[in-house]
Amino acid sequence: EVQLVQSGAEVKKPGESLKISCQGSGYSFTNYWIGWVRQMPGKGLEWMAIIHPGDSEIRYSPSFQGHVTISADKSISTAYLQWSSLRASDTAMYYCARHGGSYDDHWGQGTLVTVSS
Amino acid sequence: DTQMTQSPSSLSASIGDRVTITCRASQSVSTYLNWYQQKPGKAPKILIYAASSLHSGVPSRFSGSGSGTEFTLTISSLLPGDFATYYCEQSYSTPPTFGQGTKVEVK
Repeated sequence: EVQLVQSGAEVKKPGESLKISCQGSGYSFTNYWIGWVRQMPGKGLEWMAIIHPGDSEIRYSPSFQGHVTISADKSISTAYLQWSSLRASDTAMYYCARHGGSYDDHWGQGTLVTVSS
Repeated sequence: DTQMTQSPSSLSASIGDRVTITCRASQSVSTYLNWYQQKPGKAPKILIYAASSLHSGVPSRFSGSGSGTEFTLTISSLLPGDFATYYCEQSYSTPPTFGQGTKVEVK
């Protein structure tokens, strides 16, 4: 069974750094792209970035490039999303998703990030 | 970026109703159009990919159609578990972009 398990909720202050994770299991981690999607409170879905763990190819949405970094460690089948300096506007639920072909076929349970002073 | 616009933004319906949601793209996305269902507090789930292909395990009361810039998601007979928010997504160009969502509520 394909599963994506994300790290737990985080509460941070503006300016702090953060790295959240998404561990895949039940499939060959290096054969599928894996990406991150943001959902701000009460709002819709926004595609942020995607990585291919097999060759580390990365693509970012222009809206997020420069503010977040996507990475992956194929030895532990885990993808990451990190911020070096959080803003209050980063408060959101973040989902990782496996990209199977032209769509996201499996999703993590979500990681809630709250940034507040 | 390709803008995706869904209509309506919300609708009220009853069990057994036929429901149709429309998604329009600001430029052609061919058939690279997906539909997701999201329930409160849960991650989205894929329903339809490539405009009209039903994902494995999704009930046949869900169907999708369209190509180019105009697409529809139809639920043939609404069941209680179908009250949720539905999103279209184009995956033709990077970045993929989502519609704003359509909330299907109980009438």
